Amino acid sequence: EPEVTQTPSHQVTQMGQEVILRCVPISNHLYFYWYRQILGQKVEFLVSFYNNEISEKSEIFDDQFSVERPDGSNFTLKIRSTKLEDSAMYFCASAGGAGNQPQHFGDGTRLSIL
Amino acid sequence: AQSVTQPDIHITVSEGASLELRCNYSYGATPYLFWYVQSPGQGLQLLLKYFSGDTLVQGIKGFEAEFKRSQSSFNLRKPSVHWSDAAEYFCAVGAGGAQKLVFGQGTRLTINP
Repeated sequence: EPEVTQTPSHQVTQMGQEVILRCVPISNHLYFYWYRQILGQKVEFLVSFYNNEISEKSEIFDDQFSVERPDGSNFTLKIRSTKLEDSAMYFCASAGGAGNQPQHFGDGTRLSIL
Repeated sequence: AQSVTQPDIHITVSEGASLELRCNYSYGATPYLFWYVQSPGQGLQLLLKYFSGDTLVQGIKGFEAEFKRSQSSFNLRKPSVHWSDAAEYFCAVGAGGAQKLVFGQGTRLTINP
């Protein structure tokens, strides 16, 4: 069964550094998402992406965050200047279309900011 | 605004016993409802979904869930749990497959041998 893959599985970064989290969505999917889960808290929506542009973003997704689909397969989340509170598990998801298409999640990237 | 409440943070059941995990949602229109499971160190795996039609939906691993509009609930059930069912379970609501998901806090399930 097709999967969403995320790399790296664990990223350790110094505060203030830039970090890029990478995702390869399921190949024929059209909708892409990032979520995060701070340890012990619920999974929170960050951003959705369709047709090469952001379709919705949460208040968490401020100017420090950006997303990109640089080629036909990758979907990246960039944090420009990381803060301690960015430490979390970041999940990428993709969906085949609007309507009756569930989101499929990757295994996540654990981001640790020192 | 959409919201999801999972009243039970942690549930412990014995292997072979039945299971019900509660989920209540708040959403103005007909919701799209999901249950996901997260094993330690893993991502979120879709167990089942409700979009419309039959209010009792079957999922993978022997799970089922029932949508009750009058109670704004979408409880997850399994008649007989296995040790491998120990995991975190998340209920989520969305406006459609392309829209953001709003998750509940999660219920951690522990299985006693």
